[in-house]
Formats: sequence, structure tokens, C-alpha cells
Amino acid sequence: EPEVTQTPSHQVTQMGQEVILRCVPISNHLYFYWYRQILGQKVEFLVSFYNNEISEKSEIFDDQFSVERPDGSNFTLKIRSTKLEDSAMYFCASRGGGGGYTFGSGTRLTVV
Amino acid sequence: AQTVTQSQPEMSVQEAETVTLSCTYDTSENNYYLFWYKQPPSRQMILVIRQEAYKQQNATENRFSVNFQKAAKSFSLKISDSQLGDTAMYFCASLTQGGSEKLVFGKGMKLTVNP
Repeated sequence: EPEVTQTPSHQVTQMGQEVILRCVPISNHLYFYWYRQILGQKVEFLVSFYNNEISEKSEIFDDQFSVERPDGSNFTLKIRSTKLEDSAMYFCASRGGGGGYTFGSGTRLTVV
Repeated sequence: AQTVTQSQPEMSVQEAETVTLSCTYDTSENNYYLFWYKQPPSRQMILVIRQEAYKQQNATENRFSVNFQKAAKSFSLKISDSQLGDTAMYFCASLTQGGSEKLVFGKGMKLTVNP
């Protein structure tokens, strides 16, 4: 079964550093997403991406965040200057038609 | 705006018994999907079951079934013959068709299946 692949599975970074979280969506999917889950809390929408541009972003997705699809396969989330409160699980997801979401296994980001 | 409410933060059940997880949602849209996701300790998000709002028939997937009450905006998950591997966080989520089709999640419920 096709999978969404995320790397790394766990990243530790110092406050103020830039991080890039990587995702390889399912190849024939057209819609891509990033979600965030702070430990013990619900999963929150960050951003959706379609046709090489952001289609919607949440209030969380401020100027510190950016997304990119640099080639035909990767989809990245960049946090320019990490804060302690950015520590969370970050999930990438891609979607085909009919509401069929597939999530990656997540990247656990720890900011120290 | 869509909202999803899971009012039970935690439940436990004995192995082999049946348990029902509740979820209510609010949307003004007509075309939407509802989902239950399972999140085990590994924190991966695993789709359990989904329901299209336009379908009257309740979705089933092996031991998992839903009770979808559209007028009441209720979407409960029934797990039959509970297994130890069902121990996890369970999230209810909704998706409105059209636009970015983002998922809106409830706060989740921790289910523990006891031997």
C-alpha cells in the first residue's frame, strides 16, 4: 500500500535554529498538508498546498513557517527560527480524491 | 467554522467487550466526511473508519462500526470484541468538501483495553 514517508523521525534542535522537515507524499496525490500535535493535545492544521502554492494556512502558520515542493516528490516544512513552543509532532499528509487522506508517521521535533 | 467535540477524555474496557466512543460535530455544510483515527503510543495516525455524510448507511470495518446521526450531528465509534491492541488515543475528525479540505480534529480520547 502506498505510504507517506517523513524524515527524520526525531529531530532535536537548539532554540533559534532553522529546521527542515521532509515528506514524500504519495506519488499520484495532488493535495499536501502539514499538521502539528503538541504533546497531549489535539492535532491542528497548519497548512495545505495544491498546485505549487499554499491554498490555506492556519493562524499558527506565521512568518516563521514556510513550505516548499522543490521537486516532483518532496514536500518540506521549514521553521526559520525555532522556539521552545514549536516542540511537537509534525505530520505530513497527502490526499487523493474522495477525502482519502494518508498520514505519514510523523517527525517529533524537540526544541531545547 | 467546523468544530468537533469529544467529551470523554478517557475510557477503559475489558478485553472482548464492546465499547462506544462518542463524538459530536458542528458544520453548516452539506458535503463532508467524518473520520475516526487511532493513535497508538508510536503516535502514528491510523485511519480506523470514515463516513460520507451523504450516505445514510453506517460505515463498518471489521470490528469497528459507526453510528452516524446526521440530524443530531453525532458520530460515535463502536469497537466490538475489544483487543489489547486497541489501546490508543482515538480522534474524531471532520472534513468539509471543497476548498482546502483540511481535517478538523477533536481533542481525542484515551482508550485502555484491560486483560
